[in-house]
Amino acid sequence: DAGVIQSPRHEVTEMGQEVTLRCKPISGHNSLFWYRQTMMRGLELLIYFNNNVPIDDSGMPEDRFSAKMPNASFSTLKIQPSEPRDSAVYFCASRGRYQETQYFGPGTRLLVL
Amino acid sequence: AQSVTQPDIHITVSEGASLELRCNYSYGATPYLFWYVQSPGQGLQLLLKYFSGDTLVQGIKGFEAEFKRSQSSFNLRKPSVHWSDAAEYFCAVGASGAGSYQLTFGKGTKLSVIP
Repeated sequence: DAGVIQSPRHEVTEMGQEVTLRCKPISGHNSLFWYRQTMMRGLELLIYFNNNVPIDDSGMPEDRFSAKMPNASFSTLKIQPSEPRDSAVYFCASRGRYQETQYFGPGTRLLVL
Repeated sequence: AQSVTQPDIHITVSEGASLELRCNYSYGATPYLFWYVQSPGQGLQLLLKYFSGDTLVQGIKGFEAEFKRSQSSFNLRKPSVHWSDAAEYFCAVGASGAGSYQLTFGKGTKLSVIP
């Protein structure tokens, strides 16, 4: 069975550029989560979607960050403009209906120069 | 609010030795508890979980964890560590109840294994 798929796996960009991270959740799952992992702050929830609707975006750092889920099988996290402090590993996770366990993708390692 | 503390940032053990990674949580009701493992450059893989019932839960790769309500702990154990167990381990707590979704993670414990 395919797990959560994320692309790209690595991204190096320059400050000010737009960055788009992509996620395909496990088929049949109806909840999707975006996390950011840094050495200083650990794993932080950025945004939570349920049935393609954003339910909790209180973790989104600022207006430079936006996330969409146009359908049940695809989500994007966009940073525009990017800044060096956005450098981190970004994880997508999904969860099935009436389930408690979140399944994580391999992550996107972002470096903003 | 829920919180998780993993007191040990880094642990080194010899291959074949036993292992215990500590996790303490704070939550008002019975929590959902998880252990995830992250190998270098990889995502988080679920090792085991506790929702209710038997307080000793078995997971993959020979790991087990014991829920102790009186100590607010959910420590991870393995009787004999293999070199491939070297990774970072995260404990997480989730709220029980319909509609809950928040997982709060500890800062992680990095495990090094000496051959």
